[in-house]
Amino acid sequence: GAGVSQSPSNKVTEKGKDVELRCDPISGHTALYWYRQSLGQGLEFLIYFQGNSAPDKSGLPSDRFSAERTGGSVSTLTIQRTQQEDSAVYLCASSPTGLAANTGELFFGEGSRLTVL
Amino acid sequence: GNSVTQMEGPVTLSEEAFLTINCTYTATGYPSLFWYVQYPGEGLQLLLKATKADDKGSNKGFEATYRKETTSFHLEKGSVQVSDSAVYFCALIGRTGANNLFFGTGTRLTVIP
Repeated sequence: GAGVSQSPSNKVTEKGKDVELRCDPISGHTALYWYRQSLGQGLEFLIYFQGNSAPDKSGLPSDRFSAERTGGSVSTLTIQRTQQEDSAVYLCASSPTGLAANTGELFFGEGSRLTVL
Repeated sequence: GNSVTQMEGPVTLSEEAFLTINCTYTATGYPSLFWYVQYPGEGLQLLLKATKADDKGSNKGFEATYRKETTSFHLEKGSVQVSDSAVYFCALIGRTGANNLFFGTGTRLTVIP
């Protein structure tokens, strides 16, 4: 499709297991963002990619979280040794050139809901 | 620092009622302000924006005015429809050149016929 695609849409895992969440941005969008939405919280910024590099990864909550982007396209967010507090909806968004240039419009996927038991 | 506080929901209104969803912000410098909307089963999408004080953003009958003196960006619509049922997020970019949108917690609106 033409929009941002995320998979899986739902993931239930056991505490201590690793999970990978995938994001396919809109074709041609150079900027890619990961956000997290926990119950009752606003969207929490995790990491921003411009092309394949991550100029801002300040929002990653711990070293159990990592993300990469390859070919300027698909991105994977990996959470190692998951904890119950990692349960949230993980949202991916893309934009043609990044927020600074296009003043605010991000195109979001529907999110991946992670539940850690 | 940068933060957004928005009215807690959920909000339930009858069709054709007047809607206000309050949003206030804290920011260093001069932020740009946004409302995003998430319809059921869809990703967040930009609804409207305002980039400087006294600007009014508008779209789909919704309006919000950037009020620097009250640090507010309240969302309004004169007559809501059932199709407006969604979650509404207020957001800001803290300064020129920033690459992070700060979001509020979201307000769920349900419009009943």
